[in-house]
Amino acid sequence: DGGITQSPKYLFRKEGQNVTLSCEQNLNHDAMYWYRQDPGQGLRLIYYSQIVNDFQKGDIAEGYSVSREKKESFPLTVTSAQKNPTAFYLCASSTGQGVNQPQHFGDGTRLSIL
Amino acid sequence: AQTVTQSQPEMSVQEAETVTLSCTYDTSESNYYLFWYKQPPSRQMILVIRQEAYKQQNATENRFSVNFQKAAKSFSLKISDSQLGDTAMYFCAFMKLGGQGGSEKLVFGKGTKLTVNP
Repeated sequence: DGGITQSPKYLFRKEGQNVTLSCEQNLNHDAMYWYRQDPGQGLRLIYYSQIVNDFQKGDIAEGYSVSREKKESFPLTVTSAQKNPTAFYLCASSTGQGVNQPQHFGDGTRLSIL
Repeated sequence: AQTVTQSQPEMSVQEAETVTLSCTYDTSESNYYLFWYKQPPSRQMILVIRQEAYKQQNATENRFSVNFQKAAKSFSLKISDSQLGDTAMYFCAFMKLGGQGGSEKLVFGKGTKLTVNP
C-alpha cells in the first residue's frame, strides 16, 4: 500500500546538535510539506516543496533546513539555531496539482531535548 | 493571510448523540477548499471531509456532514450517532487554490478536543 513513512518515531537532541527527520513517500506525489505541532497551537507549516530540487519557506522556517533531491524524500534538519525544538513533527504530501487533492500525512516524529 | 478559528478547545458528547464542532475562517479569496481532519491519540492525521467553496451543497461522508456558510465564512462539522472511536482532536483547515506557485498549502485551526463518553 502507498503511504508516507516518517522515521524515527521518537528522537532526542542534545544541546548544540543538528538532527534530521526522515520522510519518504511512495504515492508519486509532487508536493511535500513539513509541519510542527505544539500543544494548543495546531499545525504550523515549516517548509514545503512543490517539485524536486525546489522548496519554499513556510511560516516558521527559522532554525530548520530541508532538501528535495528525490521525489520520494523530503528530510527535515532541525539545527542548533532552533532554540525550542521540542514538538511533534508531521510530514505530508499531495499531488501538487491543486485539484481537490488533500494532503496525506505520515505518523509523525516526536522530538525532545535531552 | 488566511486565518482559521476554532472557538471550542474541548467538547464532549454521549455515545450515539450528535455533536457540532465550529470553525470560522477569514480570507479574501473566492476559490478555496475547506477540510476537517481528525487526529486520534495515535497522532495520525486522517481526512474526515472536504468542501469546495464553489459548491453550495454541503458535503456529507456517512455520519459526518458540514454546514458551509460561505458568506458568513463558517464551516461547522456535525457528527451524528457519535461512536467511542470518534474521540480525537479535530482540526479545521483552509486551502487556497491557484495563484503563483500553486502549492496546496493548508492553514489549520488550533483544534477541538472531542471526547465521546459511553
